[in-house]
Amino acid sequence: DVKVTQSSRYLVKRTGEKVFLECVQDMDHENMFWYRQDPGLGLRLIYFSYDVKMKEKGDIPEGYSVSREKKERFSLILESASTNQTSMYLCASSSRTGRGGNEQFFGPGTRLTVL
Amino acid sequence: SQQGEEDPQALSIQEGENATMNCSYKTSINNLQWYRQNSGRGLVHLILIRSNEREKHSGRLRVTLDTSKKSSSLLITASRAADTASYFCATVGYSTLTFGKGTMLLVSP
Repeated sequence: DVKVTQSSRYLVKRTGEKVFLECVQDMDHENMFWYRQDPGLGLRLIYFSYDVKMKEKGDIPEGYSVSREKKERFSLILESASTNQTSMYLCASSSRTGRGGNEQFFGPGTRLTVL
Repeated sequence: SQQGEEDPQALSIQEGENATMNCSYKTSINNLQWYRQNSGRGLVHLILIRSNEREKHSGRLRVTLDTSKKSSSLLITASRAADTASYFCATVGYSTLTFGKGTMLLVSP
């Protein structure tokens, strides 16, 4: 059974803290993605990665960074958390494709609250 | 942005009825995908339709794509209470997905 797991379902942090969100997939997928989901705004792409040590900015990368040291793991880092980063964070993975996107497999999400 | 826009934003029906959701987008696409999200959970892929396809079926799901109108529709036939969820269309330009804001479907017993 294919799986994408995220380190926490719920997380509460204080403003200014450094926050790590971890995502692990067991499907040997090359591509991994981080989204945030907010009411009325849908899902927005923060960062994605096509391979180990590679990263690409998505639509809203400001305030975030990522790390991909191993193929199965993709971390999202909030260097200094702010209240406007309170959101649901979703990780996804997909296999590599030469043209067009394949289906993405999503983790259960991490609901982050920054106080 | 080639973000898809779903219509309606919310839909409430009775079990056994059909549910139709629409998606419109702005630029050319490689494929279009539909996902379902149960409350507070991750998204689950439902179906992918390529730009050279016009219709696709999967169980009780039927998806159509009209590239001339830049629109797609998702039909769920004989709906069940378990179909209650949010449904998102996602367009693919090169290799990343751009999601719409979703349609919330409520199916009452």
